Amino acid sequence: SQQGEEDPQALSIQEGENATMNCSYKTSINNLQWYRQNSGRGLVHLILIRSNEREKHSGRLRVTLDTSKKSSSLLITASRAADTASYFCAARDYGNNRLAFGKGNQVVVIP
Amino acid sequence: NAGVTQTPKFQVLKTGQSMTLQCAQDMNHNSMYWYRQDPGMGLRLIYYSASEGTTDKGEVPNGYNVSRLNKREFSLRLESAAPSQTSVYFCASSELTGDYQPQHFGDGTRLSIL
Repeated sequence: SQQGEEDPQALSIQEGENATMNCSYKTSINNLQWYRQNSGRGLVHLILIRSNEREKHSGRLRVTLDTSKKSSSLLITASRAADTASYFCAARDYGNNRLAFGKGNQVVVIP
Repeated sequence: NAGVTQTPKFQVLKTGQSMTLQCAQDMNHNSMYWYRQDPGMGLRLIYYSASEGTTDKGEVPNGYNVSRLNKREFSLRLESAAPSQTSVYFCASSELTGDYQPQHFGDGTRLSIL
């Protein structure tokens, strides 16, 4: 079943601004992952946050996880035109290595 | 580094035809997956193989079969294609052990069924 649900679905921002995306899930998870998909390409793993972590940073990416609300957010700071892509969250249950993907956020960064 | 390679990249079929989508990975991963991606639906898991010699159904297995040929290769077969199977198909792989293994994706096969 699909667990991840991103909100909002589409975002258009100016280069240099920050972009924030949210994701909710329904059951207990082992970890939550974020992926990027450029047009016509496969998904690329960006960052993983474990269920016992609350915040994680990787370069210009900041991910938060609130297990009490079953939600996560992805922040991209100082956006660049190259950040234009679709972003997906994916929740991993305990006990298996299957991922449940959300529907994705389309982000357009205007130069 | 090739990573995950999918063939073909594009294919057009007529309703009722059969076809096999090929996937190979060179990262020595144990687990492999097939997803389909439809507009507004995100990725849905069709079948997966946790390790060589095993396969399991995912969320949307009807109309598909899979074969884990060896550790590197995992194929997806449509026996009698239907227009509802028009989609972009992605293969992915990951390590089996450990709880924090990301998946690595190929660039997809764009399949249209007329």
